[in-house]
Parts: sequence; C-alpha cells; structure tokens
Amino acid sequence: GNSVTQMEGPVTLSEEAFLTINCTYTATGYPSLFWYVQYPGEGLQLLLKATKADDKGSNKGFEATYRKETTSFHLEKGSVQVSDSAVYFCALGAGTALIFGKGTTLSVSS
Amino acid sequence: DAGVIQSPRHEVTEMGQEVTLRCKPISGHDYLFWYRQTMMRGLELLIYFNNNVPIDDSGMPEDRFSAKMPNASFSTLKIQPSEPRDSAVYFCASSLGTGPYEQYFGPGTRLTVT
Repeated sequence: GNSVTQMEGPVTLSEEAFLTINCTYTATGYPSLFWYVQYPGEGLQLLLKATKADDKGSNKGFEATYRKETTSFHLEKGSVQVSDSAVYFCALGAGTALIFGKGTTLSVSS
Repeated sequence: DAGVIQSPRHEVTEMGQEVTLRCKPISGHDYLFWYRQTMMRGLELLIYFNNNVPIDDSGMPEDRFSAKMPNASFSTLKIQPSEPRDSAVYFCASSLGTGPYEQYFGPGTRLTVT
C-alpha cells in the first residue's frame, strides 16, 4: 500500500543554517506530494506541493523536488530562521485521504 | 472565506460524559476529514466524508466514537462515553477533492477528559 517515511526528529539548528528534512514514499501510480507545517497551537497548513515527477514546489524559501527515480520529496531551506520552528509533515495524495508521515520537529535557535 | 471552523476550541470534561465536537468546512468543499493528534500516536485519520457520505471510518478507534455530516456545511464527532485516553487535539479538514488537492485544516479542539 501507499506510505510515507520521513526522518525522525527533533532537528535542532542555529539561525541561518541549512535545513534538509528527508521524505521518501511508496506508492502505486503517480501520487501528488505535499509538505505541511504546523506551528505551535495551530492546525496544519500547506507549505508546498508537487503533482508530477521533476516538479519543484517552493514557498517561503522552502523547496522540495519530486524525484520519482528515488521516490523522494526532501524539504530544504538555505537559511532557517527562528520563526521556522514548527513540526513539518510530508504527505502523499493518491485518490483517497492524504497519507501523512509522522512529522519532524524543527527547533531553530538564535 | 473564514476557513474551516471548529468549536469548541477547548473542552474539559469528566470521564463518562458525552462530548460533541463541531466542524464547518469551507463552502464548496466536497470532502471533510476528522483527525486526532497526540504526542504518543501522532496524527491519525479517524474518518472522512465525500458529499456528506462516510467513505472510510476504519480509523475510528471504537464504538464510543461516531461522526455525522447531516449537510454540506456541518459535521459532528461525538464521543460517548468519554475516557481519559481520548484526551487529544481533534482537527477537522476539508478539501475540493483527493489526489492533488490541498486539505485545509481547522484550528483544532483540545479535549481533556479527567
């Protein structure tokens, strides 16, 4: 069946450091891929998405590229800020409800 | 649009009481999802509806949980009787479809059962 695996957290970084959060998936067909972010005390909100192979989603300085050959959708940001501290969820959409990864907590210190 | 609306935002109740959580999806969205989030179990899909019809309720933990969607603009999640292990944040989300469509989440209801 379809599934998503993302790296365990927490990830702790200093401000302006480079961020990578790994996400790999298993799916039949051609799923859409998403990154959601959850700030403390809030619901999840879409950060970026990609709907086909080689698409790059980007938003707020974050990027992720849909790699079919490696079944991956890793999240990157070149220079993180304290305000990026949140929980990040990778998700897969393939005709049913979204399938979410377990979430990765990012903590950025100044 | 006001987004997905959930009420109440916080609920504290005693074990054995009935709890009803409410959700108003974004107008025009055909899909509605109920999730539960805890530290131990993470984010869990409980049930989802398409055009007011339940499609998959395999995530509902047990018969104490029930969900309804009487019309396109309202859904409830009921727990009767409630237990301390039901304490969690419950999210409602809605979307235009599945596959490439984004889900929009409400702010959640934090339930505490004592």
